[in-house]
Amino acid sequence: SQQGEEDPQALSIQEGENATMNCSYKTSINNLQWYRQNSGRGLVHLILIRSNEREKHSGRLRVTLDTSKKSSSLLITASRAADTASYFCATDVGNQFYFGTGTSLTVIP
Amino acid sequence: GAVVSQHPSWVICKSGTSVKIECRSLDFQATTMFWYRQFPKQSLMLMATSNEGSKATYEQGVEKDKFLINHASLTLSTLTVTSAHPEDSSFYICSARVPPYGYTFGSGTRLTVV
Repeated sequence: SQQGEEDPQALSIQEGENATMNCSYKTSINNLQWYRQNSGRGLVHLILIRSNEREKHSGRLRVTLDTSKKSSSLLITASRAADTASYFCATDVGNQFYFGTGTSLTVIP
Repeated sequence: GAVVSQHPSWVICKSGTSVKIECRSLDFQATTMFWYRQFPKQSLMLMATSNEGSKATYEQGVEKDKFLINHASLTLSTLTVTSAHPEDSSFYICSARVPPYGYTFGSGTRLTVV
């Protein structure tokens, strides 16, 4: 399977803390994207990082990409209760687009 | 922005019947569409990739005769679950590639087979 793996599977933090989730993938990619999903509903696109980029920021989100290690990380700073959701990385490998296993984040108010 | 409209948002059907799910690109032409299935508390699993005017490419382990995908136009792709069984109950999501790097997703269809 081309699906990436994420860790941790579940993460519980206090509001205001930072949350870090990691994604590892198997093959060369065109780009890697992070999505959020609230309780089995639709997906919300968070950020895209291209294979030639190493770091990207968007608001409270920071994404890094290490293509030599085939890994990426998503950092959410100053977390809020509304950030509670599942987070997935997804890799664009040409004509397919695969999702990672996901991290379930719970932010405790 | 590019929007994909997916219908129905939920459907309940009897075991043995067929169900069709539609995805329409509203303001762009979707040359490539993807269909995913998601079981509770699991990730999205890619089922198949469809290109307009050609046969879909199915991922390993996905029965192409059971999950019929049609992408006859640049704005419409359909997934038909044939002879549905309770184990087919899942959340199905379509996605379209939006050049050069983006993807847009439908809102998903929750299928329950009773």
